[in-house]
Amino acid sequence: DAGITQSPRHKVTETGTPVTLRCHQTENHRYMYWYRQDPGHGLRLIHYSYGVKDTDKGEVSDGYSVSRSKTEDFLLTLESATSSQTSVYFCAISVVGVWLPGNTIYFGEGSWLTVV
Amino acid sequence: GESVGLHLPTLSVQEGDNSIINCAYSNSASDYFIWYKQESGKGPQFIIDIRSNMDKRQGQRVTVLLNKTVKHLSLQIAATQPGDSAVYFCAETFQGAQKLVFGQGTRLTINP
Repeated sequence: DAGITQSPRHKVTETGTPVTLRCHQTENHRYMYWYRQDPGHGLRLIHYSYGVKDTDKGEVSDGYSVSRSKTEDFLLTLESATSSQTSVYFCAISVVGVWLPGNTIYFGEGSWLTVV
Repeated sequence: GESVGLHLPTLSVQEGDNSIINCAYSNSASDYFIWYKQESGKGPQFIIDIRSNMDKRQGQRVTVLLNKTVKHLSLQIAATQPGDSAVYFCAETFQGAQKLVFGQGTRLTINP
């Protein structure tokens, strides 16, 4: 395993409540990513970070915010959870950006979130 | 827009046979492709990658073929084993991009 810990691994929450998912890495990799995985959509990028305090949006960023105050932690926050955000969330890390030579992207084990 | 898809959502093979999983992509600018394996309840695991300056790359029991003319990618698994049962995803990206675009996935089932 690539030294990625996601927490919580499973969570059930109510619509309208805030939720924060945490991704912790021990690899000191520069890049961190949050993906969601849904049936029929595969994996889709929510947000990514290319350094401490440096973040950018992915393709499905609406309703989500992120923060990265330390190299090892990347937080994903749902400010007001909705049922459409019920999904499996994966954190990923890489040494360099996705395209660059020598890159391998490692994924965490996932966080199952259910919004009722 | 860019998209990556798979021809077959499921594939069943006999143990010991070779498996071929296909992937089509639509973005002609894509020049880096990765295959991932995802077992039930786990995150995707890197298998093998290939860049557009190659048409074939081999790993341990796996081979990836890239046909840029028809925008087609395939993953060949030799002598399929029960542990190969999983969902396989292809992903693409291109120079300067910061995201991978994933296909829908193919579920590979191994019959004893």
